[in-house]
Amino acid sequence: QSVLTQPPSVSGAPGQAVTISCTGSSSNIGAGYDVHWYQQLPGTAPKLLIFGNSNRPSGVPDRFSGSKSGTSASLAISGLQAEDEADYYCQSYDSSLSGSGVFGSGTKVTVL
Amino acid sequence: EVQLVESGEGLVQPGGSLRLSCAASGFTFSSHAMHWVRQAPGKGLEYVSAISGNGVSTYYADSVKGRFTISRDNSKNTLYLQMGSLRAEDMAVYYCARDFYDSGRGYFDLWGRGTLVTVSS
Repeated sequence: QSVLTQPPSVSGAPGQAVTISCTGSSSNIGAGYDVHWYQQLPGTAPKLLIFGNSNRPSGVPDRFSGSKSGTSASLAISGLQAEDEADYYCQSYDSSLSGSGVFGSGTKVTVL
Repeated sequence: EVQLVESGEGLVQPGGSLRLSCAASGFTFSSHAMHWVRQAPGKGLEYVSAISGNGVSTYYADSVKGRFTISRDNSKNTLYLQMGSLRAEDMAVYYCARDFYDSGRGYFDLWGRGTLVTVSS
């Protein structure tokens, strides 16, 4: 059972926008820890998508954006493309777990 | 080339031990904390352990505390995970990942391809 809760799946047609939520608590996201997002394409290792709540690494398309508010964070994908079909995970840290890192439960994005 | 390459894949019986390695290249290894993250078959990512750049500070998930030991050899640019008292639920692909910072509280900006640990009798 993950400390950070994500919807199991979201879907959208090409060109549409989807949003993935990441809900935490006062000991992780609400404690001020940054939220980071990773994309995992089928059969591959995860890849950094968003760091520090809302920053994109070089090479990540600007259709991906992140935000954080209170005890939650969100990843938005605008202009959905076929290659965006993947699993997405949020990640933070939790002070109640000796400061250990924590991942969200993961969200499968399906492009219809 | 900047990369991480895990090794140590294997089949081990419940209660057994195994050591994983992660060889780093192309960057200043000691300037970055390092993490182990695992993924059971068909499941999501699970945080396992972290070690600071100088090796002084370590962190463990409750699920592995007391059974796994993380370490690093900065002279060899290598990260290790010594796993003991292995259980069926430890079966997973284990990834090593580089922390952008040296403290172990950052984001993972470089990942290895993973190595499979199978626990079965």
